[in-house]
Amino acid sequence: GEDVEQSLFLSVREGDSSVINCTYTDSSSTYLYWYKQEPGAGLQLLTYIFSNMDMKQDQRLTVLLNKKDKHLSLRIADTQTGDSAIYFCAESMNDYKLSFGAGTTVTVRA
Amino acid sequence: NAGVTQTPKFQVLKTGQSMTLQCAQDMNHEYMSWYRQDPGMGLRLIHYSVGAGITDQGEVPNGYNVSRSTTEDFPLRLLSAAPSQTSVYFCASSTGTGDHGYTFGSGTRLTVV
Repeated sequence: GEDVEQSLFLSVREGDSSVINCTYTDSSSTYLYWYKQEPGAGLQLLTYIFSNMDMKQDQRLTVLLNKKDKHLSLRIADTQTGDSAIYFCAESMNDYKLSFGAGTTVTVRA
Repeated sequence: NAGVTQTPKFQVLKTGQSMTLQCAQDMNHEYMSWYRQDPGMGLRLIHYSVGAGITDQGEVPNGYNVSRSTTEDFPLRLLSAAPSQTSVYFCASSTGTGDHGYTFGSGTRLTVV
């Protein structure tokens, strides 16, 4: 379902920071996730944030959560060619269902 | 540590044929789900299971059946394939605690002609 919205494309220069944005609609979401999908592969969990947190940092990844605006962002520092992929934002209202955005295709150019 | 294994990786069916997509996990996860991925639409939940013997419908269940006779296996059956079922299918499993998210298989690319 499309309760989660993301921009479809992002182009970034190698070495710059990437910021991928996501909005969600269900304020009762408990966890919010970022998944990465490389061509021909499944989804790989990158990071997650619990709904009572504002920020989470994990090496090159920073997740910001604005609960008031229902806005989630993923910042990738020092973007590399290996970061080229589709990035999905997902929310979980319970333990068995994830609602995904359509995915943001990130292209890293030299 | 195999994680979530899906077979086959690719499949072409004729309209009206039936088939089963296999999914197995070796992590003793209670929760398993099937999603389909279509261009520009993200992933949509087909069916899910919260434990052996328990299954329920997701948001796009029509034309699909599931069963969960063991913790490890969660097959997805297409009863009478239609071109609208052309998609990439992902199986996923989870502990259900949220902080580990879901582990996804590598997908099955299905084409119905």
